[in-house]
Amino acid sequence: EVQLVESGGGLVQPGRSLRLSCAASGFTFDDYAMHWVRQAPGKGLEWVSGISWNSGSIGYADSVKGRFTISRDNAKNSLYLQMNSLRAEDTALYYCAKAPYSVAGTYFDYWGQGTLVTVSS
Amino acid sequence: EIVLTQSPGTLSLSPGERATLSCRASQSVSSSYLAWYQQKPGQAPRLLIYGASSRATGIPDRFSGSGSGTDFTLTISRLEPEDFAVYYCQQYGSSSTFGQGTRLEIK
Repeated sequence: EVQLVESGGGLVQPGRSLRLSCAASGFTFDDYAMHWVRQAPGKGLEWVSGISWNSGSIGYADSVKGRFTISRDNAKNSLYLQMNSLRAEDTALYYCAKAPYSVAGTYFDYWGQGTLVTVSS
Repeated sequence: EIVLTQSPGTLSLSPGERATLSCRASQSVSSSYLAWYQQKPGQAPRLLIYGASSRATGIPDRFSGSGSGTDFTLTISRLEPEDFAVYYCQQYGSSSTFGQGTRLEIK
């Protein structure tokens, strides 16, 4: 059974940093691209970033480019999102999502339950 | 960036009725790279349709997707009580963007 478990969320002041993690199990992690998708409270879904199976292809939404960095450790079956210079508008539930292929540009066939990031002073 | 506009914003129907949800793109979605997701309160989204018309694993056949270019449709042939939720479309042909969602509520 595919499981994606996010962690690392919390309350952080504007301008500070936070690192999210996603622990994956139930599938061969290094065969698939992975993504982060966020959802602000009461709002819709927003793709944040994606990374191919070998980290050779990485993409970011314009809203986070230059501030967020996605990475993965295939030996640890883990996905990460380093978030710097956080803003109030980054407040959201952050989902880790699996792609059905090794390349990054695709849909998402499995999702975690999310970790909440709140940016506020 | 490709902008996806979903309509209607809210759809009120009764169990047993047919639901038709629309997703319109600001420019053509290459190779019909369009997906549909269902999200219930407090839950993560669930993949329903990919490639505009292919059902994901375990999705009942009352769910169907159609369309190409800039106009796509999700149809639920006969609504079951568990189908009332929010539905999102996503294009993945040029980076990735989501529509704003359609809320399907019980009439």
